[in-house]
Amino acid sequence: QSVLTQPPSVSGAPGQRVTISCTGSSSNIGAGYDVHWYRQLPGTAPKLLLYGNYNRPSGVPDRFSGSKSATSASLAITGLQAEDEADYYCQSYDSSLSDSVFGGGTKLTVL
Amino acid sequence: QVQLQESGPGLVKPSETLSLTCTVSAYSINSGYYWGWIRQPPGKGLEWIGSVYHSGYTYYNPSLKSRVTISVDTSKNHFSLKLSSVTAADTAVYFCARLAGVAPYHYYMDVWGKGTTVTVSS
Repeated sequence: QSVLTQPPSVSGAPGQRVTISCTGSSSNIGAGYDVHWYRQLPGTAPKLLLYGNYNRPSGVPDRFSGSKSATSASLAITGLQAEDEADYYCQSYDSSLSDSVFGGGTKLTVL
Repeated sequence: QVQLQESGPGLVKPSETLSLTCTVSAYSINSGYYWGWIRQPPGKGLEWIGSVYHSGYTYYNPSLKSRVTISVDTSKNHFSLKLSSVTAADTAVYFCARLAGVAPYHYYMDVWGKGTTVTVSS
């Protein structure tokens, strides 16, 4: 059971907008620690999608955006494409655990 | 562009020590960044293991700290993971990664290796 809670699954049709939430607490997101997002295609290594809550690395399209408020963060994907079907993970730091932590992951299905 | 490659035995016996190496290419470990290990049990999510700086300074997951050693060899431009007293619960894909951002509170993994599968079984 991760200290960062993500929905196990979300889905959307091509072209739609979906959001994936990452809910934490006062010892991680609520304490001001950055949230980062990764995408993992089946059988491959995770890839950095967003860092520092909302920053996109070079090469990541602006269809991907991030936000953060209070004790939660969200990843939004607009213009959903078939290749977006993957597992998505949030990551932050937790002061109670004195450790980096990952969310449990969310499987995105493109209908 | 920076590339990371994990290597090591794919099968380890229970109670023995798992040893993996991550070789970095197209970037000198001495130039900075923390370097880390993450694992993913079959069908499960990601678990942070720990990280090392080129100076040898380390951060470890508290739940694994008693069994984990991460070290760096700047002359070979690689860093290593040792996990002792392994059990079946340590069976996972092990990834190495470069860590950007301010350690340890804000760092994130910006470059990943492809991962290597380690099975703990007799």
